[in-house]
Amino acid sequence: QKEVEQNSGPLSVPEGAIASLNCTYSDRGSQSFFWYRQYSGKSPELIMFIYSNGDKEDGRFTAQLNKASQYVSLLIRDSQPSDSATYLCAVCGLHGSSGGSNYKLTFGKGTLLTVNP
Amino acid sequence: IAGITQAPTSQILAAGRRMTLRCTQDMRHNAMYWYRQDLGLGLRLIHYSNTAGTTGKGEVPDGYSVSRANTDDFPLTLASAVPSQTSVYFCASAPGPATSPLHFGNGTRLTVT
Repeated sequence: QKEVEQNSGPLSVPEGAIASLNCTYSDRGSQSFFWYRQYSGKSPELIMFIYSNGDKEDGRFTAQLNKASQYVSLLIRDSQPSDSATYLCAVCGLHGSSGGSNYKLTFGKGTLLTVNP
Repeated sequence: IAGITQAPTSQILAAGRRMTLRCTQDMRHNAMYWYRQDLGLGLRLIHYSNTAGTTGKGEVPDGYSVSRANTDDFPLTLASAVPSQTSVYFCASAPGPATSPLHFGNGTRLTVT
């Protein structure tokens, strides 16, 4: 079974610090990687996506992908209390037997981040 | 405002009753998905549809059915609800298959008593 693993947390950082969220995945053929943020009682919203090895930056957020190590991370610089939420890692790979082209998105269980003022 | 609309927002349902959760999107996305989210288990895929007229089973399809008669609508039906189906249900859509980022609806909180 293809798995996506995240530390459930809670991860607690002080305001202004860098928050580092980590995710590992088991399917070596995975092609697309996503980070979603979910506030309590709300739906997930896309923060970042990355397809290639290396870093991708968007404002205070940086996604890092290392396919050889099967590892994707999200860095949040200058963390704010409003960043306090659960962060979901999602990984997309081919699903099913050969001959088909069905992609499957697998979510990790999420890491709860708390940014303390 | 473009997006995904789910209805109802919440529902309390007696076990054994039939229930349809509605999902409509106006972004002309081809792919649509139904997830359930439970504490400690994360988001799990129930059913999906890569394009109108086609559907597929996800990770936890038992007890649920879907249809995709057109691009915009993707209803999820519980034929005979059981308490283990108490959950928060999210509908999502994407322009293409799962390599594209998902857009989520606001969710339906369902309690089966």
